Amino acid sequence: EIVLTQSPGTLSLSPGERATLSCRASQSVSSNYLAWYQQKPGQAPRLLIYGASTRATGVPGRFSGSGSGTDFTLTIRRLEVEDSAVYYCQQYGSSPHSFGQGTKLEIK
Amino acid sequence: EVQLVQSGAEVKKPGESLKISCKGSGYSFTNYWIGWVRQMPGKGLEWMGIIYPGDSDTRYSPSFQGQVTISADKSISTAYLQWSSLKASDTAMYYCARPSMFGAFDIWGQGTMVTVSS
Repeated sequence: EIVLTQSPGTLSLSPGERATLSCRASQSVSSNYLAWYQQKPGQAPRLLIYGASTRATGVPGRFSGSGSGTDFTLTIRRLEVEDSAVYYCQQYGSSPHSFGQGTKLEIK
Repeated sequence: EVQLVQSGAEVKKPGESLKISCKGSGYSFTNYWIGWVRQMPGKGLEWMGIIYPGDSDTRYSPSFQGQVTISADKSISTAYLQWSSLKASDTAMYYCARPSMFGAFDIWGQGTMVTVSS
């Protein structure tokens, strides 16, 4: 089973800054099948990135994903207050399709 | 519109059984996997398992194997998650979600809150 470790646990930034979120896998993620999700309070998660770097439909260009193997990054440029949320990575290359524990992003 | 609509919130006692549902619409239900994800209060997302309604091929996370049963009725485009004997620790929000052709969950249900309390 692949364990995903996200860092930092909480990130506090200001509008207009850049956020860099990390997701490290305990073993290589097959075919870079790595996704990022955004979850706001009281809402279901929303897919942002799949295949490590492909934006899902409707996701602003400020969101970008990178990485391969065991190290992946979600970058959010020009932060907006509405980006405040918890962000999760998930690998879907091997079962079980595990999630990371999440990074809480606070924009103040 | 592609959507997943889940059954409503449930309040149960320990030891009771429960089956919650997730109805797909707007796409060919038998051609896409459906997964279940647990989120305990204030906690993160946990992948429970996934089913392919076309042939009922089912995979479970080791953490949930034997604890829940995932099934589907393709005639009514509905997937299910069931418990035979609930515990207080089963209290959580449960989401169903559909992976896109690329594998990540691009369509999510609205969630079903299950509360188990004596």
